[in-house]
Amino acid sequence: QLVESGGGLVKPWGSLRLSCAASGFAFNTYTMNWVRQLPGKGLEWVSSISSRSSYTYYVNSVRGRFTISRDNARNSLYLQMDSLRVEDTATYFCARDLPLGGVGAFDFWGQGTVVTVSS
Amino acid sequence: DIQMTQSPSSLSASVGDTINITCRARESISNSLNWYQQRPGEAPRLLIYTSSILHNGVPSRFAGSGSGTDFTLTISGLQPDDSATYYCQQSSRARTFGQGTKVEIK
Repeated sequence: QLVESGGGLVKPWGSLRLSCAASGFAFNTYTMNWVRQLPGKGLEWVSSISSRSSYTYYVNSVRGRFTISRDNARNSLYLQMDSLRVEDTATYFCARDLPLGGVGAFDFWGQGTVVTVSS
Repeated sequence: DIQMTQSPSSLSASVGDTINITCRARESISNSLNWYQQRPGEAPRLLIYTSSILHNGVPSRFAGSGSGTDFTLTISGLQPDDSATYYCQQSSRARTFGQGTKVEIK
């Protein structure tokens, strides 16, 4: 199970920290991701982190503003979002990588947490 | 980023029909292409990975094909349950989704 939390209403230039609590699988062996969906729109991959936090990746539009991290002892994934913009308004999903090296597909998803950036 | 373009953006078909959704990459991505189904109010569900491999539990009426820049998702014997939006996603370089194809059952 993947359960996201931490979403809410924040003003432009504000910050928010999303969390994703994982259970039922060996969290510390999986690459994890954040994917967002703008209201009524399609999906956008946001960020990935390898199982031991050795590698992190970001979509260009959030690089330098968002930081992905994880705590394997707590089976938790995080997304620190700073300098938020109106266009960051979306439902944010936590998603697990399919455990096949290099495939890069998301085989298990949370239900999402809503982030609204508005003045 | 590698841009992915799906067509059509929406379609309407009847139960039992066979439909095709295409996905085109701006540059070659080999077979690094995955397909998802998303029903309203739900999280996406992985259907197919590496262009043509059916994920666990996905009905065999779903099939994927293609390599390089052009890919197709085929749904044979359309069921009412297949009403959803379908997304392709490349994993060759970073990750990018197509804009989605909404499938309506008549």
